[in-house]
Amino acid sequence: DGGITQSPKYLFRKEGQNVTLSCEQNLNHDAMYWYRQDPGQGLRLIYYSQIVNDFQKGDIAEGYSVSREKKESFPLTVTSAQKNPTAFYLCASSISPGLNEQFFGPGTRLTVL
Amino acid sequence: SQQGEEDPQALSIQEGENATMNCSYKTSINNLQWYRQNSGRGLVHLILIRSNEREKHSGRLRVTLDTSKKSSSLLITASRAADTASYFCATDNPPTRLTGGGNKLTFGTGTQLKVEL
Repeated sequence: DGGITQSPKYLFRKEGQNVTLSCEQNLNHDAMYWYRQDPGQGLRLIYYSQIVNDFQKGDIAEGYSVSREKKESFPLTVTSAQKNPTAFYLCASSISPGLNEQFFGPGTRLTVL
Repeated sequence: SQQGEEDPQALSIQEGENATMNCSYKTSINNLQWYRQNSGRGLVHLILIRSNEREKHSGRLRVTLDTSKKSSSLLITASRAADTASYFCATDNPPTRLTGGGNKLTFGTGTQLKVEL
């Protein structure tokens, strides 16, 4: 089955710890994205990558880091510098940047204790 | 900042009725997309309308786009309980010197639709 997967579904972390969220796609898509969603809100773009070994900051990149070493993988690290990390994190991919629809993973709900 | 703003924020209707959601945006767009999100899940793409199109249909969905008013509407006809979800518009904006690169979507705040039996 082709698709985009995120793991884990739920993640708990203590304050001051870094944590890495996984995002994998087997759709052969060039572009990948990370969004944050807070309760009752829309999606805000954290980072995006248009091609392997390249990525750009989105609207709320502070306290987050990413890598894109492989086409199918785009992990997101939530660092201790992120002041309010508790949120629902969504990963997406598209065939190419821009005009195409985005395919979303099921999301990871991160809770900082 | 959010580019799109959906209206209403929440909508409750009876099964069989039509549901209309509106989206307004601020700057020029290449295209506008509508997505659906069931509670606690990822988003699912519904329909894409390009800036040179005025109306598009897909099954029970009808989307209109008025670039002069910078607005779009999503109409779901003959709604079903299974249509209960949040609906988001997303705009793909061309790059500018102020905003930098394009090639990314900006999502609105969403409309929560509840369809009751």
